[in-house]
Amino acid sequence: QKEVEQNSGPLSVPEGAIASLNCTYSDRVSQSFFWYRQYSGKSPELIMSIYSNGDKEDGRFTAQLNKASQYVSLLIRDSQPSDSATYLCAVITGTASKLTFGTGTRLQVTL
Amino acid sequence: SAVISQKPSRDICQRGTSLTIQCQVDSQVTMMFWYRQQPGQSLTLIATANQGSEATYESGFVIDKFPISRPNLTFSTLTVSNMSPEDSSIYLCSLQGLSVLDEQFFGPGTRLTVL
Repeated sequence: QKEVEQNSGPLSVPEGAIASLNCTYSDRVSQSFFWYRQYSGKSPELIMSIYSNGDKEDGRFTAQLNKASQYVSLLIRDSQPSDSATYLCAVITGTASKLTFGTGTRLQVTL
Repeated sequence: SAVISQKPSRDICQRGTSLTIQCQVDSQVTMMFWYRQQPGQSLTLIATANQGSEATYESGFVIDKFPISRPNLTFSTLTVSNMSPEDSSIYLCSLQGLSVLDEQFFGPGTRLTVL
């Protein structure tokens, strides 16, 4: 079983809609959870971090964490064509600050 | 937030040669890391670059193949040794942020092609 799993997509949503990106992780003691956005040919950019159960909102982005279900999601409201990118879920387990990445979900926002 | 630069941004190398990638940060940071992103894949941690001591390598990565230096708190290098086409990847350094625990920020990456 992969440590961090994401649907590779592509996930296609129309402009203005809500994009919902999902991620599951296998290690129950995982403590820190991150969403990165990666445009083609660019390095990953941190967009959200979440550490406790519930929702965390930042502008058009909302991260949701459910540790009991080992599930973390990212909602993007009012999706824009500029949101088209690959979204990487990353998890830290333990004290070594080691980030484990999922394979990423490619999001396409269509006009 | 810290500014991270990497050199070179890209290179094309012949098999059997070695390439040293530099990562420079504009402020002192405790934790620096090196990752690899193979074509169409996600990121994999190679090692943690420890200042003043040997790097800590992840399973599947060895010092002879990927020697790392960290002479101070603002600079690190990763060498890809005796390259083969399988080493063609993007190599990224990252640092742990100072303001929020565990957040990591990535440099622009070095795109390596081995012929």
